[in-house]
Amino acid sequence: DAGVIQSPRHEVTEMGQEVTLRCKPISGHDYLFWYRQTMMRGLELLIYFNNNVPIDDSGMPEDRFSAKMPNASFSTLKIQPSEPRDSAVYFCASSQGTSGYTFGSGTRLTVV
Amino acid sequence: GENVEQHPSTLSVQEGDSAVIKCTYSDSASNYFPWYKQELGKRPQLIIDIRSNVGEKKDQRIAVTLNKTAKHFSLHITETQPEDSAVYFCAASKNSGYSTLTFGKGTMLLVSP
Repeated sequence: DAGVIQSPRHEVTEMGQEVTLRCKPISGHDYLFWYRQTMMRGLELLIYFNNNVPIDDSGMPEDRFSAKMPNASFSTLKIQPSEPRDSAVYFCASSQGTSGYTFGSGTRLTVV
Repeated sequence: GENVEQHPSTLSVQEGDSAVIKCTYSDSASNYFPWYKQELGKRPQLIIDIRSNVGEKKDQRIAVTLNKTAKHFSLHITETQPEDSAVYFCAASKNSGYSTLTFGKGTMLLVSP
């Protein structure tokens, strides 16, 4: 298995632009998580899905953030409009029940 | 919700020494405690985990201990090597893992040759 696949690896965008981050979980994993990592706040859970259904989005910072999981093999995290304070590394992770998370390689987002 | 505190934030040791990282959690219902290692610029990777029905678990040079009464758990690395240098995160979860992980802020471990 190729693991959790995220794209793009790096994204530099101008303030106000729309940004879409993509994630392909490990086949057979029924949980998918989106985390944001910054030096100041560490790893923060943004939203998670179980069997493609959003379970808890209380960590999504603002209405500018949205996430979807149209099928078991694909999820997106969208920021519209983006702001400089959104700059961070965004990780997608998946798991199967009681197994530990497997993280993707992350997307380093820079908003200028 | 759950709150996980991790100490120290940085730890410097000489190669061959032992390193200990400690975490406390707030929710007594938490019963799954994984540890992740994140090398610079890379993804966090699971290195060991422990469930609340055991007090200690070992895997070669690493071990985790859990004290449910005190609500704290620790990572022990013996005979440290330069390649152990990384940021280590503890985490806690309820429902034996069928739930989200709450992470500590991380410990940067530096092992000097």
